[in-house]
Order: sequence, then C-alpha cells, then structure tokens
Amino acid sequence: AAGVIQSPRHLIKEKRETATLKCYPIPRHDTVYWYQQGPGQDPQFLISFYEKMQSDKGSIPDRFSAQQFSDYHSELNMSSLELGDSALYFCASSLRAGGIADTQYFGPGTRLTVL
Amino acid sequence: EDQVTQSPEALRLQEGESSSLNCSYTVSGLRGLFWYRQDPGKGPEFLFTLYSAGEEKEKERLKATLTKKESFLHITAPKPEDSATYLCAVQAAGGSYIPTFGRGTSLIVHP
Repeated sequence: AAGVIQSPRHLIKEKRETATLKCYPIPRHDTVYWYQQGPGQDPQFLISFYEKMQSDKGSIPDRFSAQQFSDYHSELNMSSLELGDSALYFCASSLRAGGIADTQYFGPGTRLTVL
Repeated sequence: EDQVTQSPEALRLQEGESSSLNCSYTVSGLRGLFWYRQDPGKGPEFLFTLYSAGEEKEKERLKATLTKKESFLHITAPKPEDSATYLCAVQAAGGSYIPTFGRGTSLIVHP
C-alpha cells in the first residue's frame, strides 16, 4: 500500500538559512499534519491542512510557514534557521470523515540538522 | 486540558515474557485513542485506533483494549523485533483534530 512520502530525508543547513520540506500524502487523503520531534520527545504538532485550507495551528514558530497545494501535497517552509530547529520533522496524512477519529499515517520523516 | 500518561517509561522483557503497557488519559469526550510503534529515527507506525470503551483490537502479538480512563497494549510472547517505543495518543471530541501524545514506553525485548 502507498505510504506518506517525505523529501528530502536528510537536510543540513547553516544558521539563518532557509529550508523547504515536502510531504506527499497517501492517495485520496485530504488532510496533512506537520510535527516536530526532538530526541527522546513525543511529536509536537505544528500545523495541519484539510482540503487545502489551514485546519489547526500548534506551536509553529512565526519563522515557519506551510501550505497544501491543489494536488494535496504540502510544503513546510522554514526561514532564519536556528540551532534549536534541528529535529526530525514528520508529516502525517489522514482521510477526515467528520466526527469520528482521524487516524493519521506518518511518513518516514526529514532529519534537519542546523549547523 | 487533555492529558495522556504512559507507563512504564521503559520496559525490558525476555523473549516470550508477556506484559502490558498502560496509557491513562483525561479528555473531555473521546473521539479516538491511537497506538503507534516508533523505531529510532523513523516515523511512527500506526497500530490501532480504538473508539469506545470495551473495544478490543488485535494484530499478531499485540492486543489493545480500552476503558473510559485507560488503554492497555498487551504484548504476548514478544520477540526481539518488537523492541521499539510505543506511543499512545488521544483525539478529543470537538472541533480540533489535534491528537495529544503520551511520552511513550520504550520496550526492549532480549533474546
């Protein structure tokens, strides 16, 4: 079965640089979530999109922005990178069926290292 | 505020030694409770979604159960390949679909 695809898998940037992470959801899924996970921590929710509109917003820094495109893929844009942004970034997708639990399927992640 | 507490934080088992992981939750109306398995440096792998108290689901050596206050993930006769961190998350009823995650239980199964 098709899974969530994320690219790139690894990314190394310098401080103050910009990074773009991409997420391709499972086919026919209409919702995308972005998470940040530091070492030994649970995933921290950043932002989500449902049918190409922002759905929920979590602890996403103002330096970060995201969008979902017409083909449902999503991009997380990160500017003015800081050392503390080094983490695993996960994208998850789901098929939201109003009212019942929204099971999220996670991608393999992008490991971002800021030097 | 929704809360999820997983215990124990870490668990070491011998191969074949069955045990249970606990996920206690506080939520104002439960839409669903999720179990994931996560290997180091990889994305969480979906295991189960439970919707209401009394529900049980099984997959190979794993069985998840749900009450109004907690969920258990029972591991029967574990193998070394079951070693991973197991995450529990709850999704509250209402407008937001943001799940609240627990800190996870790190399971190591020794051969």
